Order: sequence, then C-alpha cells, then structure tokens
Amino acid sequence: DTEVTQTPKHLVMGMTNKKSLKCEQHMGHRAMYWYKQKAKKPPELMFVYSYEKLSINESVPSRFSPECPNSSLLNLHLHALQPEDSALYLCASSQGPTVYNEQFFGPGTRLTVL
Amino acid sequence: ELKVEQNPLFLSMQEGKNYTIYCNYSTTSDRLYWYRQDPGKSLESLFVLLSNGAVKQEGRLMASLDTKARLSTLHITAAVHDLSATYFCAVDNTGANNLFFGTGTRLTVIP
Repeated sequence: DTEVTQTPKHLVMGMTNKKSLKCEQHMGHRAMYWYKQKAKKPPELMFVYSYEKLSINESVPSRFSPECPNSSLLNLHLHALQPEDSALYLCASSQGPTVYNEQFFGPGTRLTVL
Repeated sequence: ELKVEQNPLFLSMQEGKNYTIYCNYSTTSDRLYWYRQDPGKSLESLFVLLSNGAVKQEGRLMASLDTKARLSTLHITAAVHDLSATYFCAVDNTGANNLFFGTGTRLTVIP
C-alpha cells in the first residue's frame, strides 16, 4: 500500500466548532507531516512527527492541535478557527529522518471556516 | 533560513515547444525533489535527485541537479496539454527532517 489517506475531503465549520482531520498511511513510514496550503501558494509546514513524537512545530497557533496516536495515524484537532484558516490541509509521510526525505502526500482536506 | 526560488513563476507555452524551469536554493543540500500539483489536487512526486549531477527522466520531463551551483532544472520537451499544472521543487533540509518548497511554477500548455 503506497497511499496516504485523509478524511474528510471537505469540511465546513463555524468559528466555535471543534473538528478533527485524520490521516493514515500503511507504508511503514516513521515521519508524518501536516501542511497548510493557500490558493496559488506552496505548502506551508505546520507540524512534523518523527517516530510518533512531535519534532517540529512551526509556530502554529494553539487552535491547531496535532496528535499522533500511533505510527500509522496522524490527527489535527481544530478549535475556534478563524476564516483565514480556510485552506487545503495536506498530510504527508516519509521514511524518516535518517534516509532521504521523499514525502508522499494525501489528497488533502479542503477546509472552509465560516 | 533556507530559501528556494523558482523561475519563472508563470509559464505559458505552445504545444510541441521546449522549455526549462529553474530552481535555485540558498544553502548546501544534495537532495532535491520535484512535485506536480493539478488545480485543487494534492502533490504528486515526480523526481527524487539525491546527488550532484543526478539526472532523471520520465516521459517529456527531465530533471537535473547541480549541487555546487545550488540549482536544479526541470526540462520540458515537446510540451503537451496534459503537462499543464503547477510544479514545485523542494529542498531537503538535511538533518532537520523537513522540506523547503519553492514558490511554484504554474505551467499552461496552449494547443
């Protein structure tokens, strides 16, 4: 299985809602990533988990809370988001920090915050 | 901070023509990746370049890496409409377990 899956594909939420994005991979990869991508821009790194531990947090607001329950799963918990948080959220995975870092991306979750 | 610049940012070309996209980066790295993104879609890995002088080809696309010049190129040969997409290069921040993405080149191939 060489696929990264993400759910849901689309999400519309109000500013007071709590929701979660989910990501799964079964490639045995030990690094997983969350990116935010605005239209016509490159992906912006948010978080990196390496061997199930948070290794990079790119100064992301606390209304975004990542979680890595096990080596195959990655969640992003959302709470009290702002309209400017509307974007495509991409999950990716790679083999890990000791080998080259080719990242495989999931299909993304299109998030709209009203 | 590692900076990655691509040019051109926008490229409109006719079918059948050749062109090159350039990716310059600001610090030492010998690992570079090219991705393709269709509108509203995710990123698809195209090429992995892992050493100076590496050259990879797939169909009408060929990528190369010159680590001494801190430059990678993506050459398009005899463009077809199906190649219309945004192309990103990404540089491996060796040891830091993350990638730095270039600004992207939006390619439109005109029939």
